[in-house]
Amino acid sequence: QKEVEQDPGPLSVPEGAIVSLNCTYSNSAFQYFMWYRQYSRKGPELLMYTYSSGNKEDGRFTAQVDKSSKYISLFIRDSQPSDSATYLCAIPNQAGTALIFGKGTTLSVSS
Amino acid sequence: NAGVTQTPKFRILKIGQSMTLQCAQDMNHNYMYWYRQDPGMGLKLIYYSVGAGITDKGEVPNGYNVSRSTTEDFPLRLELAAPSQTSVYFCASSYWPGEAGYQETQYFGPGTRLLVL
Repeated sequence: QKEVEQDPGPLSVPEGAIVSLNCTYSNSAFQYFMWYRQYSRKGPELLMYTYSSGNKEDGRFTAQVDKSSKYISLFIRDSQPSDSATYLCAIPNQAGTALIFGKGTTLSVSS
Repeated sequence: NAGVTQTPKFRILKIGQSMTLQCAQDMNHNYMYWYRQDPGMGLKLIYYSVGAGITDKGEVPNGYNVSRSTTEDFPLRLELAAPSQTSVYFCASSYWPGEAGYQETQYFGPGTRLLVL
């Protein structure tokens, strides 16, 4: 089983929709979870991070962790065409030396 | 600050040729990383460096070499290019990597697109 699994999509939604992006992970010891956003032909940039369980909100974005099911989610409310990008979940390896990335989900928001 | 810069933006290589992908950062970060990104496959770590003179292998190091003579620069060398090395290469840096189970924010460059024919 891969350490981080993410459905690559693509996912297409109309403007204003609520978007749910998800990843699963295998190692229950993971505590720190990150979401990177990557616009087309650009490098990834950190969008949000959460530690342990629970929710973290930043504007229209909410990151959620369910440690019991090893499931992490990123919700986007009132999605905008500018949210069109690839979203990658990332988890630090146990040694703390690198990030393990999911495959990324490509989101397209149409106006 | 320019952040993380990479050159070239795009390159076509013939099978068997060699090249060096350049990466530089001006944020005084200790840690630097090289990733490759294939379509629909996420990012795979090639090599990383914890400081000048210290490098270590990542998940997919075969066919690549790195060096780190200064804090700012972390070039990636491809020897004997193969079609399997066609990919987008990203360099990243962080102030320090973190500790077990934790990572500082990594800052990425704009990438180098490499096509090996």
